[in-house]
Amino acid sequence: KNQVEQSPQSLIILEGKNCTLQCNYTVSPFSNLRWYKQDTGRGPVSLTIMTFSENTKSNGRYTATLDADTKQSSLHITASQLSDSASYICVVSDTGSNYQLIWGAGTKLIIKP
Amino acid sequence: DAGVIQSPRHEVTEMGQEVTLRCKPISGHDYLFWYRQTMMRGLELLIYFNNNVPIDDSGMPEDRFSAKMPNASFSTLKIQPSEPRDSAVYFCASRPPGQHNYGYTFGSGTRLTVV
Repeated sequence: KNQVEQSPQSLIILEGKNCTLQCNYTVSPFSNLRWYKQDTGRGPVSLTIMTFSENTKSNGRYTATLDADTKQSSLHITASQLSDSASYICVVSDTGSNYQLIWGAGTKLIIKP
Repeated sequence: DAGVIQSPRHEVTEMGQEVTLRCKPISGHDYLFWYRQTMMRGLELLIYFNNNVPIDDSGMPEDRFSAKMPNASFSTLKIQPSEPRDSAVYFCASRPPGQHNYGYTFGSGTRLTVV
């Protein structure tokens, strides 16, 4: 069964610190992996998208990595800011005809001053 | 570009009433998706359209839910009759043609509360 699992469920860190969020998936066949940021009361916003051949991609202070062999991804946030407080959702797309997105449950990140 | 526009932002209705949620996708995007988000189940795909045609509605929970896309710039999701368990945030998203490896753009959602 195609699944996406994220850890931790929630994380609290101090402003200025770094953190890493994890994503494991069992989706096959694999097309791409996305990280979304969802602020409270808003829709998800795409941070990065990686295909099979990419193993790292950055978007400002956000860096995503992908290991397609072990089916793992991580999202690293550098020098966290209060505005980074949000849910971060890992999403994997298969290569099926409908290009379904399989959504993780998200990691809720809280940045404290 | 104003992005994906959803209305209303909040809707409170009584059980048994009809509810209609509206979405205007980004101009030029030919894929439109309706999602539902709850604490228990996260984001669930309800239905998606390509060029105004429903492609996959297997996520629609039951016959009480229906969706239409009469033209490229407008879609509705209707619940009739509504039930308390339909309370959730409903998101609409759109995607450009041939851009499978690019991000979907989500609207701000409609928070539905059925009492």
